[in-house]
Amino acid sequence: EAGVTQFPSHSVIEKGQTVTLRCDPISGHDNLYWYRRVMGKEIKFLLHFVKESKQDESGMPNNRFLAERTGGTYSTLKVQPAELEDSGVYFCASSQEAHTQEYFGPGTRLTVT
Amino acid sequence: GENVEQHPSTLSVQEGDSAVIKCTYSDSASNYFPWYKQELGKGPQLIIDIRSNVGEKKDQRIAVTLNKTAKHFSLHITETQPEDSAVYFCAASIMNTGFQKLVFGTGTRLLVSP
Repeated sequence: EAGVTQFPSHSVIEKGQTVTLRCDPISGHDNLYWYRRVMGKEIKFLLHFVKESKQDESGMPNNRFLAERTGGTYSTLKVQPAELEDSGVYFCASSQEAHTQEYFGPGTRLTVT
Repeated sequence: GENVEQHPSTLSVQEGDSAVIKCTYSDSASNYFPWYKQELGKGPQLIIDIRSNVGEKKDQRIAVTLNKTAKHFSLHITETQPEDSAVYFCAASIMNTGFQKLVFGTGTRLLVSP
């Protein structure tokens, strides 16, 4: 069974540019989550989808971040315009039941210069 | 507030020794506590989890203990091997703004020397 995949693995962009991250969850997992880890700190929750619906987006930093999950399959996270403090590793995870047995992808390392 | 504290931040042991990582949480309603292992260049991998109705769970060389009264839980790795070297994260489920989510600790870098 394929695990959670994320694309790209690395992205380097300039401040003010736009970046879109993609996550493909494990097939059949209705729950999809985005997390972010800023260097040396904890992994922080950003938001949670159940199928195509946003269940909880309380962790999204501000309105420069937009997550979508059209059709309830893969998800995208767009940052527009990017700021320096957006640098970090963005993880996607998925699970069958909400907030239990979450399986993580390899992450996308975003560097904003 | 929502908070999970994890200690130590780094841990060095000799191969064969035991390693213990400790976490404390603040939300008394937390009922699910997973542990993740992150190897270099990979995402966090779920290695063991425990629910609040259980005090201890074991899987081969790893075990997790939970003390609900004190609001702390620990990961125990016995007979450590070099391949156990990684960053380990604890997490606890919390309720916030009406929704449940996982809150993670800051991670422990474990180094097992041959």
